[in-house]
Amino acid sequence: QVQLVQSGAEVKKPGASVKVSCKASGYTFTDYYLHWVRQAPGQGLEWMGWINPNSGDTNYAQKFQGRVTMTRDTSITTAYMELSRLSSDDTAVYSCAGGPGGKSGNWFDPWGQGTLVTVSS
Amino acid sequence: QSALTQPASVSGSPGQSITISCSGTSSDVGSYKLVSWYQQHPGKAPKLMIYEDNKRPSRVSNRFSGSKSGNTASLTISGLQAEDEADYYCCSYAGSSTWVFGGGTKLTVL
Repeated sequence: QVQLVQSGAEVKKPGASVKVSCKASGYTFTDYYLHWVRQAPGQGLEWMGWINPNSGDTNYAQKFQGRVTMTRDTSITTAYMELSRLSSDDTAVYSCAGGPGGKSGNWFDPWGQGTLVTVSS
Repeated sequence: QSALTQPASVSGSPGQSITISCSGTSSDVGSYKLVSWYQQHPGKAPKLMIYEDNKRPSRVSNRFSGSKSGNTASLTISGLQAEDEADYYCCSYAGSSTWVFGGGTKLTVL
């Protein structure tokens, strides 16, 4: 079945960077865009951007431009989201999701299980 | 890109119907037929409930329906059940290949 499996929880210090992985299986990796969404504790969902696994093209939410980098490795069907210059405001669960673009429909599904990133000194 | 506006909470008794609103602008909700809705239980990943304003995936109960008027989209749940208690999020295309979510609504089944 279609599945997105993410890397484990991370604890980082302010100013550091974090890189979260999202391994896809059960479908042709290059057919569907992968989006990243985060959710701070007790807060709503926040869209961060997407990567086209076929071309490597990306599009980031204005809020994260200059601080986020989304990449992929097609040989291992894995996408990555790296966020730099972390602050406590970046403490959140980061999730990858199949989303609009490529052969996907105009919705977000499936979702990875989420990766908790805690930023603390 | 400002988050779409949803009520923080709504509640209803079993069997009743409730509606959750999602207010955007003419740059997002009002311009595209691309609003989707997600259900999220605590500690779980969001689940797609409605897409393209009012379409329902086959695996989703027909008790869930979506609609839109101008810049405001709505999710209606009829015949409320205990298992419907969850957080609900709307999402809209916002142009330039970007997307925006709502702040979320906590549904309590009394």
